[in-house]
Amino acid sequence: TQLLEQSPQFLSIQEGENLTVYCNSSSVFSSLQWYRQEPGEGPVLLVTVVTGGEVKKLKRLTFQFGDARKDSSLHITAAQPGDTGLYLCARAPGSNTGKLIFGQGTTLQVKP
Amino acid sequence: DSGVTQTPKHLITATGQRVTLRCSPRSGDLSVYWYQQSLDQGLQFLIQYYNGEERAKGNILERFSAQQFPDLHSELNLSSLELGDSALYFCASSVGGLNTEAFFGQGTRLTVV
Repeated sequence: TQLLEQSPQFLSIQEGENLTVYCNSSSVFSSLQWYRQEPGEGPVLLVTVVTGGEVKKLKRLTFQFGDARKDSSLHITAAQPGDTGLYLCARAPGSNTGKLIFGQGTTLQVKP
Repeated sequence: DSGVTQTPKHLITATGQRVTLRCSPRSGDLSVYWYQQSLDQGLQFLIQYYNGEERAKGNILERFSAQQFPDLHSELNLSSLELGDSALYFCASSVGGLNTEAFFGQGTRLTVV
């Protein structure tokens, strides 16, 4: 099983702080997705990164795919309480299926 | 609203019982996926159906089974339930294929007592 390791597992910060969440694997993957899950809801796709070295921005969120396509990071600038949730990275291991393998997730709490 | 509907939202049942979870995918999506989310295992892929046929299988227990009907809705059947089966069960749908976006339902919270 090609695992995805996320770090940190838990993060509690004050509003306005910056943070970075990491997603690492020992294997190369063709693409990686980041999801956010709020309590009582299912995960919602934030972004898909495909190209090594790719950087994508979504408002205050910056996603980066490592040059070797083995790792990815999510950076949040000036975090807000609305950013609170579980952040999951995921990869699709097969060519004929869209099934996803998820990391364990990073639980983020942003205090006002 | 993701467009994926799961019922029921909550289910409490006793050990040894059997339950059926239901999922209606987004209109037009042919693929349905079932995932289990627990505190210790995280979000784990169980099984995928594509246009009525099984496409991929994960670590799904033999006590669990699923099917996708001609109208594309899907059911996940869990039998001989154990305490450890207590978890959130999510259904997701997509048009199918690699890198297509998966849309998740709100999940069914199963509690086995």
